[in-house]
Amino acid sequence: AQKVTQAQTEISVVEKEDVTLDCVYETRDTTYYLFWYKQPPSGELVFLIRRNSFDEQNEISGRYSWNFQKSTSSFNFTITASQVVDSAVYFCALRRSDAGGTSYGKLTFGQGTILTVHP
Amino acid sequence: DAMVIQNPRYQVTQFGKPVTLSCSQTLNHNVMYWYQQKSSQAPKLLFHYYDKDFNNEADTPDNFQSRRPNTSFCFLDIRSPGLGDAAMYLCATSNLVGRRQETQYFGPGTRLLVL
Repeated sequence: AQKVTQAQTEISVVEKEDVTLDCVYETRDTTYYLFWYKQPPSGELVFLIRRNSFDEQNEISGRYSWNFQKSTSSFNFTITASQVVDSAVYFCALRRSDAGGTSYGKLTFGQGTILTVHP
Repeated sequence: DAMVIQNPRYQVTQFGKPVTLSCSQTLNHNVMYWYQQKSSQAPKLLFHYYDKDFNNEADTPDNFQSRRPNTSFCFLDIRSPGLGDAAMYLCATSNLVGRRQETQYFGPGTRLLVL
């Protein structure tokens, strides 16, 4: 069985602060994909990043960075110098990598972390 | 721009009155998904289509049906909406190429209110 845990239900920061969103996952698969999605108040789930389980390099994209540690089954997301527009719900998700059947495309989501950035 | 479109963005229906939500895509993806997301919860997969093959999740109520008349369109039919069906409904698409399942991209969602 697969499981994703986002222990932080809500985080509140002041603009320009750095903030890290935690994600811990469980899976018996040896290969898998991890994702982060952003859901602003408008409701659309916006894809941020996909990471293969065999690629443990950290990634940086502008103010966003991701720290993948297979040894601790964690895939944490850091926003540097947060802005009010970063306010949203952030979901971490897990998916099996083999597409032997289309059910393998199923995403297992964490419960989400509500991030509020105050001016 | 290639995208996933959902109409309407907001839908109000009456208890027990059938309602249909619409999703279309210009990405030419072969897989389309429907998720239900209740307030403060994670999205929950209802079912998906791989081309014309329908795949239902085991715990999806019979009240929920889906149709995919062509590659571009997929519909979610709720035959007799109850108050508990009020939620955001998210459509997503992805491509299955050989054995490789690509990233899912989501539409803006339809927020359903049942009166």
